[in-house]
Amino acid sequence: DIQMTQSPASLSASLGETISIECRASEDIYSNLAWYQQKSGKSPQLLIYAANRLQDGVPSRFSGSGSGTQYSLKISGMQPEDEGDYFCLQGSKFPWTFGGGTKLELK
Amino acid sequence: EVQLVESGGVLVQPGRSMKLSCAASGFTFSSFPMAWVRQAPTKGLEWVATISTSGGSTYYRDSVKGRFTISRDNAKSTLYLQMDSLRSEDTATYYCTTAGYPNWFAYWGQGTLVTVSS
Repeated sequence: DIQMTQSPASLSASLGETISIECRASEDIYSNLAWYQQKSGKSPQLLIYAANRLQDGVPSRFSGSGSGTQYSLKISGMQPEDEGDYFCLQGSKFPWTFGGGTKLELK
Repeated sequence: EVQLVESGGVLVQPGRSMKLSCAASGFTFSSFPMAWVRQAPTKGLEWVATISTSGGSTYYRDSVKGRFTISRDNAKSTLYLQMDSLRSEDTATYYCTTAGYPNWFAYWGQGTLVTVSS
């Protein structure tokens, strides 16, 4: 199975701060990577797919980058509504696997 | 508007069976692969199973293979998950989600809680 190592596990950011979350795959996943946001008590929401493509309706302050085994999600200017848990997903090979998650809080 | 509405989650004893349903609307259900993703209380997300548009191909995580069966009825725009020989570690909120490439899991249901306990 492809292991997805996500870091950091938690993060506290100030209003307007730019933050990054990383995911490292145990093997090349050929940009078959997506990022999700989950707010407390809610279903996850797709933010980024194919490593760097913004899902319709997602604010442009969210961006994704990376290739091979290393990927990142950047939020350019933290907003209060960005608080929540963030997960990466590899869809390159079954079983599809998620990263362990990053809890993002507003400082 | 895309809607996915899960149902069927209850408290069940270990070793018993149950079946989850997911009613889809607002999109052409038959054109999308579909999946179930679960989340144990206070834990992360875990992919469970995926089914192709026709239902002819199915994929499972090892821990549910042979116990769970994903299926679909395109005429009814409904996705199912038959869960047999349930274990305590299957306790989770189960989400129904679209699995089209490359934006997997673009749409999610509200989730249904399955609790396996004696």
